[in-house]
Amino acid sequence: KAGVTQTPRYLIKTRGQQVTLSCSPISGHRSVSWYQQTPGQGLQFLFEYFSETQRNKGNFPGRFSGRQFSNSRSEMNVSTLELGDSALYLCASSQGRMNTEAFFGQGTRLTVV
Amino acid sequence: EDQVTQSPEALRLQEGESSSLNCSYTVSGLRGLFWYRQDPGKGPEFLFTLYSAGEEKEKERLKATLTKKESFLHITAPKPEDSATYLCAVQAGGGSNYKLTFGKGTLLTVNP
Repeated sequence: KAGVTQTPRYLIKTRGQQVTLSCSPISGHRSVSWYQQTPGQGLQFLFEYFSETQRNKGNFPGRFSGRQFSNSRSEMNVSTLELGDSALYLCASSQGRMNTEAFFGQGTRLTVV
Repeated sequence: EDQVTQSPEALRLQEGESSSLNCSYTVSGLRGLFWYRQDPGKGPEFLFTLYSAGEEKEKERLKATLTKKESFLHITAPKPEDSATYLCAVQAGGGSNYKLTFGKGTLLTVNP
């Protein structure tokens, strides 16, 4: 059974650009959550998608957005990149919204220069 | 606001030297407490979910326990391959927000 797949694994962007990250959940999983991980703040919740709808959003500016498709795949977008957006972006999938067992992908390492 | 504090921040053990990691939490009603292991450059790997005080779960050399205020991850006779960052997270009960609130983690190093 394939795990959670995130692409790309690494990205280098310039300040002011925008970026789109992709997450393919485990087959049969309908809930996808996104997290940002930095050395200083640890793992912080970005948003949760279920059945193509954003169900919850963390305390991040509106530059961070996402969506989920009918096949449960999800994308997140960050516009007008800032140096502080450099982080490991992690996607987690679970069967339902309860997240009793949330499985993480390998993450996308974003570096903003 | 939900809070999770893990201690110590870093722990060095000799192979075979048992110890415990602590996770203290403040949450408005606990739906679940989760333990993950994270290796450098990888995503967190799910270990355990605990739901109620008094519950215990074991996996190989790891045993997780839960009280009303904290959880412990006991590591018995650790091996070098147990070296990783161990993350604790809570999910609050009530409402429709199922997000996980994570602690900063404990970096465990096991020397041969």
